[in-house]
Amino acid sequence: GAVVSQHPSWVICKSGTSVKIECRSLDFQATTMFWYRQFPKQSLMLMATSNEGSKATYEQGVEKDKFLINHASLTLSTLTVTSAHPEDSSFYICSALGGGASVTGELFFGEGSRLTVL
Amino acid sequence: AQSVTQLGSHVSVSEGALVLLRCNYSSSVPPYLFWYVQYPNQGLQLLLKYTTGATLVKGINGFEAEFKKSETSFHLTKPSAHMSDAAEYFCAVSENRGSTLGRLYFGRGTQLTVWP
Repeated sequence: GAVVSQHPSWVICKSGTSVKIECRSLDFQATTMFWYRQFPKQSLMLMATSNEGSKATYEQGVEKDKFLINHASLTLSTLTVTSAHPEDSSFYICSALGGGASVTGELFFGEGSRLTVL
Repeated sequence: AQSVTQLGSHVSVSEGALVLLRCNYSSSVPPYLFWYVQYPNQGLQLLLKYTTGATLVKGINGFEAEFKKSETSFHLTKPSAHMSDAAEYFCAVSENRGSTLGRLYFGRGTQLTVWP
């Protein structure tokens, strides 16, 4: 099956710094990628939808200046948490739509990235 | 608008017992339906999906689900639970439309505990 890889899996940073998380589709071209945030014991909250070569579409209530998303190629999307604060600590998961599964809307998920802001 | 309701945030069963995780959805168009499993600190793995055709869908690890349009349900079952099935399970729905293809709406999740 299609593989989506996220890096880093774990990151700890100081308050005020910026952190970049990468999401790569390893064996297919992803026309669309999605970024989710998951709080402990809760469901996934869609943050934004990114299409290759265009600006990301953010969900209501998500600060686009805080969470910068770039989808510069068909295999890579990045999420940058700018000036991170402890309340940004969370589990971030990306997913990719593409390949033969794009007809049915099946998403392939990355392994997730746990961000801890001290 | 799409929405998903998972009844029961926690389900506990004994090893070997039937697993039943409930999912109801609302959709203004024929939906695509998915069940995902998540192990601690990991991403989501697809268990099974319904798009069109046969309403009883078989997935990995012995799980299956039946799409019942009249009941707007897509319950997940497994005849005999195994200890390794303990995880968080998410039901999701998406519209099969081009502009929103891939945009998933998730239920709140059900934590499955399997007792020895």
